[in-house]
Amino acid sequence: RKEVEQDPGPFNVPEGATVAFNCTYSNSASQSFFWYRQDCRKEPKLLMSVYSSGNEDGRFTAQLNRASQYISLLIRDSKLSDSATYLCVVNIGNSGNTPLVFGKGTRLSVIA
Amino acid sequence: DAGVIQSPRHEVTEMGQEVTLRCKPISGHDYLFWYRQTMMRGLELLIYFNNNVPIDDSGMPEDRFSAKMPNASFSTLKIQPSEPRDSAVYFCASKKTWGYQPQHFGDGTRLSIL
Repeated sequence: RKEVEQDPGPFNVPEGATVAFNCTYSNSASQSFFWYRQDCRKEPKLLMSVYSSGNEDGRFTAQLNRASQYISLLIRDSKLSDSATYLCVVNIGNSGNTPLVFGKGTRLSVIA
Repeated sequence: DAGVIQSPRHEVTEMGQEVTLRCKPISGHDYLFWYRQTMMRGLELLIYFNNNVPIDDSGMPEDRFSAKMPNASFSTLKIQPSEPRDSAVYFCASKKTWGYQPQHFGDGTRLSIL
C-alpha cells in the first residue's frame, strides 16, 4: 500500500459547484496532515493544515478520520481560480521532524 | 521575509555534464529538503538536512547524485554525470524545527538533460 494515496482525478466541475477530494494514508502513527495546492509549473504551496476536529477556511473544509486513516478536502462554490492540483501531505512518523510524504495530487479544473 | 530561493530556474544541458542546483532556505529554518517532481512519480524526497547535517539520503537515486549543506544558508544538489532520465523539476524546501510545521518550497529548477 502506498504511503499516501489520492483520487487520481481529474475533476472537471462548473463554477459554483462543490467538490470533494479524498486521501488515505498508511502509517497510523502519522500526526500531522496538510493540503497543498500546486498551480501548473509552480511550486507547491500550503493550502491548509488538517486538524483532528476538522477545520474550515472560507470555502475550504478539511476533515481527518484517524480510525479510517482518511483525509478529505471540500471546496464549496468553486471558482475558476481554484483550478490547480491539490496534494495530500502526511507526516510519516510520530514526530514533527520526520519528513512529509506527498500524494501524487488530484487535478481540479473549474469550468465557466 | 524572503522565501526559499533556488537557482537556476531553468537548466538545459547535454548528458554527461555536471549539473549543480542551489538553494537558500528561509532564514531561521533548521530543516532543508530536496525533492524531485516528475509526472510519473510525483514529488519524491531525495535528501534532507537538519542543522546542516544530512539526516536521510535514502531517496537519492544513485551515486551520481550528491548534496551538501556547508552552512545554514546554502545547499547544493549535484548530478554528475547527468542523464536524460534526470530531467525533472527539482524543489528545495525548508521548515522550522518547532512543532508540526509545514514546509515552504522554492520556485524549483526545471532541469532538462538532452
